[in-house]
Amino acid sequence: QVQLHESGPGLVKPSETLSLSCTVSGYSISSGYWWIWIRQPPGKGLEWIGSISHSGSTNYSPSLQSRISISSDTSRNQFSLTLTSVTAADTAVYYCLTSAGGWGQGTLVTVSS
Amino acid sequence: QAVVTQEPSLTVSPGETVTLTCACITAVVTSGHYPYWFQQKPGQAPRTLIHDTTNKHSWTPARFSGSLLGGKAALTLSGAQPEDEAAYYCLITCSGARIFGGGTKLTVL
Repeated sequence: QVQLHESGPGLVKPSETLSLSCTVSGYSISSGYWWIWIRQPPGKGLEWIGSISHSGSTNYSPSLQSRISISSDTSRNQFSLTLTSVTAADTAVYYCLTSAGGWGQGTLVTVSS
Repeated sequence: QAVVTQEPSLTVSPGETVTLTCACITAVVTSGHYPYWFQQKPGQAPRTLIHDTTNKHSWTPARFSGSLLGGKAALTLSGAQPEDEAAYYCLITCSGARIFGGGTKLTVL
């Protein structure tokens, strides 16, 4: 079964850039499927952020498109999320997952000075 | 106004059947909208139950099934169990974007 694990800072200052990585084990991200980022603000529902395919095609949420970038590093079997100009509204648990079905456990990112 | 809508809450008795639905306000939902269904229990990460309208994963209990119903994506739970009490989220392509529904809180009582 494909396993995913998010990593990155738990605290980011307003106006700065949030960077997260997702390390995948049990499957090569260049072999197939989509590799996805979503988030969940505290006490709220799920929000689609974006995805990258095994061939490098990306799909971003229109509401976040101007601030996000998703990339992959096949040598490390990782894919990453960059979110610029963060505000308190970006405070959330960030999850990576795959269309193959696996999920990471999630990582809480708090935006605060 | 939410673009993708789900029932905010539903209650089902143990052993009974319940259907959750997922609608796109701008279109009839078809398989081309690639509906997914997720289950999330309190304090846990979500897990994927159904992908691409009807397809289950190896861990998806047989009592869950996905379909299209009345222009919407649907998740049917046949024979509800107490452990099925959770929030259920759909994900579809609506208005050209991948969008989650607001979630359905399912109570088994």
